[in-house]
Amino acid sequence: DGGITQSPKYLFRKEGQNVTLSCEQNLNHDAMYWYRQDPGQGLRLIYYSQIVNDFQKGDIAEGYSVSREKKESFPLTVTSAQKNPTAFYLCASISWISGNTIYFGEGSWLTVV
Amino acid sequence: QQQVKQSPQSLIVQKGGISIINCAYENTAFDYFPWYQQFPGKGPALLIAIRPDVSEKKEGRFTISFNKSAKQFSLHIMDSQPGDSATYFCAASKETSGSRLTFGEGTQLTVNP
Repeated sequence: DGGITQSPKYLFRKEGQNVTLSCEQNLNHDAMYWYRQDPGQGLRLIYYSQIVNDFQKGDIAEGYSVSREKKESFPLTVTSAQKNPTAFYLCASISWISGNTIYFGEGSWLTVV
Repeated sequence: QQQVKQSPQSLIVQKGGISIINCAYENTAFDYFPWYQQFPGKGPALLIAIRPDVSEKKEGRFTISFNKSAKQFSLHIMDSQPGDSATYFCAASKETSGSRLTFGEGTQLTVNP
């Protein structure tokens, strides 16, 4: 089945560690996104990429980094510079051919311990 | 800058009742207005979307009403069911390649049996 796969579902990070969240899609979508969701709040855009080897900062990019070496993959690294990383992280993708419908993965929970 | 304002933040409705969630936007260039439904621990999924050339769109029990002059749109859930209990997000964007979706802050809907 086509879709967006995020892993791991749950991740614990110690203070000072970098962690990487994986996002893979087999929908042949052009653009990919990373959102952060805090309890009771909406979706805030971290980074997005419209084509391979190109990405742009979203509204809350500080403390995060991404890469887009393949069309199917858009990993997010939460660095130690991110002071409050505990949140639910959502990866998404969109195909411009099918309009602006954005498809989300199942999300990854990151907790700092 | 918050470009899409959503209300109420939470909503409790009895089974069989009508749930109404409202959104207002600022950017008159927006021309695509989707609603997303999110269950706990899951990624949001597209529920229904509207473009400004129509004032209303209905899919089953879900209806979007759109008021271009007031820059407002709303989601109506008729005959609300306990299974509709979820968080609902409105969003807006320009329906062009490369555009970004701007999300509202979400409404947590609870439908009591």
